[in-house]
Amino acid sequence: AQRVTQPEKLLSVFKGAPVELKCNYSYSGSPELFWYVQYSRQRLQLLLRHISRESIKGFTADLNKGETSFHLKKPFAQEEDSAMYYCALVSSETGANNLFFGTGTRLTVIP
Amino acid sequence: GAVVSQHPSWVICKSGTSVKIECRSLDFQATTMFWYRQFPKQSLMLMATSNEGSKATYEQGVEKDKFLINHASLTLSTLTVTSAHPEDSSFYICSARGSAVQNSPLHFGNGTRLTVT
Repeated sequence: AQRVTQPEKLLSVFKGAPVELKCNYSYSGSPELFWYVQYSRQRLQLLLRHISRESIKGFTADLNKGETSFHLKKPFAQEEDSAMYYCALVSSETGANNLFFGTGTRLTVIP
Repeated sequence: GAVVSQHPSWVICKSGTSVKIECRSLDFQATTMFWYRQFPKQSLMLMATSNEGSKATYEQGVEKDKFLINHASLTLSTLTVTSAHPEDSSFYICSARGSAVQNSPLHFGNGTRLTVT
C-alpha cells in the first residue's frame, strides 16, 4: 500500500534561512510525487511535481528513490512562504491515478 | 486559471439529516472529480473518484450508501452525506481534473466544513 509521511507538523525558520520540509513515501511501483501548498485563506494548489524537475518560487524537490524521500527545499525562506505544505503521491495501482496526501507541514517564516 | 467552486463553505446540520455539497468546475470541463475528507490533524483521505456519467468508485472503508456521489455533468459533482451523524463532522474537499491525460494537474475547491450536532 502507498503511504506518504511528513514527520514535521510544524516548522519555523527565520527569514533568509534555508528550509527543508521532509517527505518520505512507501510505494511498490514507480512513484509520481507532488508538493501542494495552501496559503492562508486560499485553496490548495500544486507547487511542483517531481517529473518536471522545476523550481517554483525558489523551491525544489528531488526524488531520492534510495531513501524513498521527496524533501522540499528552499535556500532562503521568505515571509510569503508561510503556508501549509502537503506532499502527495499518485497511485496508479487501481488505474485511477489517485492522489494520496501526507498529513502536511505548517511552515512559519519568522521575519 | 482553472477554478473549482465548492459550496457551501461550511454547514451545520442536525443528526439524522442529509447534507449536499456541490463541486463545480467553473471554466473547464472536469472529466474526473475526487472527493476527500480530512479529520483534525490527519491527512486528506481520498473517499471516492467520480467520473461523469458513470458510478463513482469508492475507496475501501467508505460507505457508498452513506456518501452519495453524483457526477451528472462535466462541470458538477455532488456529495450527499445521508443521515449525518456527529462522527461525519469533518472537512470535505473536492478536486477536479480537466484532462484525461495521466497525472494532469488537479484543481481544488476551498472545502466544506461540516458540523453535525
